[in-house]
Amino acid sequence: QKEVEQDPGPLSVPEGAIVSLNCTYSNSAFQYFMWYRQYSRKGPELLMYTYSSGNKEDGRFTAQVDKSSKYISLFIRDSQPSDSATYLCAMKPWNAGNMLTFGGGTRLMVKP
Amino acid sequence: DVKVTQSSRYLVKRTGEKVFLECVQDMDHENMFWYRQDPGLGLRLIYFSYDVKMKEKGDIPEGYSVSREKKERFSLILESASTNQTSMYLCASSLGGVNTEAFFGQGTRLTVV
Repeated sequence: QKEVEQDPGPLSVPEGAIVSLNCTYSNSAFQYFMWYRQYSRKGPELLMYTYSSGNKEDGRFTAQVDKSSKYISLFIRDSQPSDSATYLCAMKPWNAGNMLTFGGGTRLMVKP
Repeated sequence: DVKVTQSSRYLVKRTGEKVFLECVQDMDHENMFWYRQDPGLGLRLIYFSYDVKMKEKGDIPEGYSVSREKKERFSLILESASTNQTSMYLCASSLGGVNTEAFFGQGTRLTVV
């Protein structure tokens, strides 16, 4: 079993829909949780960064962490075609420096 | 803006060849990383370096080596390329410390035939 599990998709939604992307993990030591967005033929770029449990909002994006369930989510409101990309979750323990463990990525397609 | 530049976008090499993938960052970052990305497997860490001439193995170092002679440059070496090393290779860099963002290059799509 992989340490971080993520549904590969593809997830296809109409423009304006609310999107929910999720990851589950098995290592209870993970404390820092990130979401990266990767457009086709590009490198990943950091989208959201949260520490421990709770919610964090940035514009149309909300990151949610439930450490008791070992489950993290990224919500995208009013989704746009420009949100079409692969979304990777990543996480690390407090003492891991910058050594991240990534999920496999979920491919999202937002149709106009 | 931070820029992480990988020397090639696409490479085709033959089995048994020695392959060099080069990465340069322009923001004086201490940490540099090499990942490979395969469908469904996400990014897996091959090697990382936290200082010049310093390196640490990641999750999948077998068949690879690295070199960091200058702070801005981190090279990944495939000593004898094999077909199972066909993949997307991503370089990243970050400042030292815990809560720092990793910036990625555009990736090198390597095909070993």
